[in-house]
Amino acid sequence: QQQVKQSPQSLIVQKGGISIINCAYENTAFDYFPWYQQFPGKGPALLIAIRPDVSEKKEGRFTISFNKSAKQFSLHIMDSQPGDSATYFCAASKPAGIGGATNKLIFGTGTLLAVQP
Amino acid sequence: ETGVTQTPRHLVMGMTNKKSLKCEQHLGHNAMYWYKQSAKKPLELMFVYNFKEQTENNSVPSRFSPECPNSSHLFLHLHTLQPEDSALYLCASSRRGGFAGGYGDTQYFGPGTRLTVL
Repeated sequence: QQQVKQSPQSLIVQKGGISIINCAYENTAFDYFPWYQQFPGKGPALLIAIRPDVSEKKEGRFTISFNKSAKQFSLHIMDSQPGDSATYFCAASKPAGIGGATNKLIFGTGTLLAVQP
Repeated sequence: ETGVTQTPRHLVMGMTNKKSLKCEQHLGHNAMYWYKQSAKKPLELMFVYNFKEQTENNSVPSRFSPECPNSSHLFLHLHTLQPEDSALYLCASSRRGGFAGGYGDTQYFGPGTRLTVL
C-alpha cells in the first residue's frame, strides 16, 4: 500500500528522443506526486510535480501524465539532451504527523537515464 | 551558504566508532528530514522533525540517534554501526511546519554524506 513502483530501472535514449519513465501506486490517500532529478554527487532536486485533480502538467520539455483511475503517472522528457542524463525518482506523498503538518514522501527505486549524443 | 548543506561529505568509520552527521538549512524552513539512500533501493525516510519536535521515526535502529536543536540544524549521531549501514545519508527540509494542511510541500535536499562502515 505504501510502495511506489517505478520502471524501467535504466533507460538509454538518443539525443532528441523522448524519455518515458513510469510509476504506479496503490494508496489512494496520496495527494502529491513529485519527480526528482539527481545528478552524481548531488542530492535529489524537485523537477516537476502534479496534483491528482490534474491529468497533465507541462514545464518546458518535462511533462507529467497522471491517470488517477489506473493509479499511474509518468514523466516524459521531450527532445532529450545529454545534460538530462541523471537518475530520476518518482514519489508520492500524503500529509503526515499531527494535523498533516509534514508530508511523508514515498520514493520509487529510481531510473538511471543516459542520453547519448 | 544557501540551500541545504551537509557535513562531512564523506565518512569512513569502524563499527565501534561514534560519529555525527550535520545538516544545516538556510531556507527558513520548519521541517527537516533524514533519508537513507542505498543502491537500487528507494530513498528511505528515517526521521522527520517539525519545529524541532520529532514527528516521525520510521522504525530506525537505535544506533542512529537524531538531534534537532533548532529549525535550522539537524544532526544524526551514529554509534556501533554495521557494514549494511553504509549508504548515502541525505538531509532535507521543507517549509511546512504548522497546522496548515494542504499538500505540495517541496522538500529540498542536501548533497548527502557518503558513509562507509568497515
